[in-house]
Amino acid sequence: AQSVTQLDSHVSVSEGTPVLLRCNYSSSYSPSLFWYVQHPNKGLQLLLKYTSAATLVKGINGFEAEFKKSETSFHLTKPSAHMSDAAEYFCARSRFSGGYNKLIFGAGTRLAVHP
Amino acid sequence: IAGITQAPTSQILAAGRRMTLRCTQDMRHNAMYWYRQDLGLGLRLIHYSNTAGTTGKGEVPDGYSVSRANTDDFPLTLASAVPSQTSVYFCASSDRAGGPADTQYFGPGTRLTVL
Repeated sequence: AQSVTQLDSHVSVSEGTPVLLRCNYSSSYSPSLFWYVQHPNKGLQLLLKYTSAATLVKGINGFEAEFKKSETSFHLTKPSAHMSDAAEYFCARSRFSGGYNKLIFGAGTRLAVHP
Repeated sequence: IAGITQAPTSQILAAGRRMTLRCTQDMRHNAMYWYRQDLGLGLRLIHYSNTAGTTGKGEVPDGYSVSRANTDDFPLTLASAVPSQTSVYFCASSDRAGGPADTQYFGPGTRLTVL
């Protein structure tokens, strides 16, 4: 099955410390991969996406993610967490099938940032 | 209007009632999508439309219908609501129809409760 697994449902960090949100995908080829962020009662906002160019992708708000084909991973990182980073994060992969582009989402990781 | 708007923001609905969730985008995107978000399940695709005049079924289409009379609007209708349709509904659009690297842009969501 082609799916996305977010390895942690909750991550808690202190402000100023690094953030690591883990995502693994399964696919028979190198898909396009995305990270979205959702703040409370808001829609999803794109953080970054990988589309088979550079394996290290930089996004908004200091986030970046590295595509590792050998590990089928696309983990999201940030060197120093800010209180405003507290939100839910979704990893997603694209799948083009049946004439349309479908996004397959992971279950999400809730990031808490403590002072 | 900038981006995607959804209406209503939230709704409480009696089971058996008919309900239409509205979605409008002003980005002239060809493709539009409806997702539902449920705790622990991430987002799941209900229906999609690659271009005005065409629609297709996603992962969880049962109990829902859509139409795409023009580029901007993509309403989602629940013909006879059931409690299992209690969810948060997100409309999305992408700037090309079917490309695996397409970015999907999301609306703010509609929180629907069916009693």
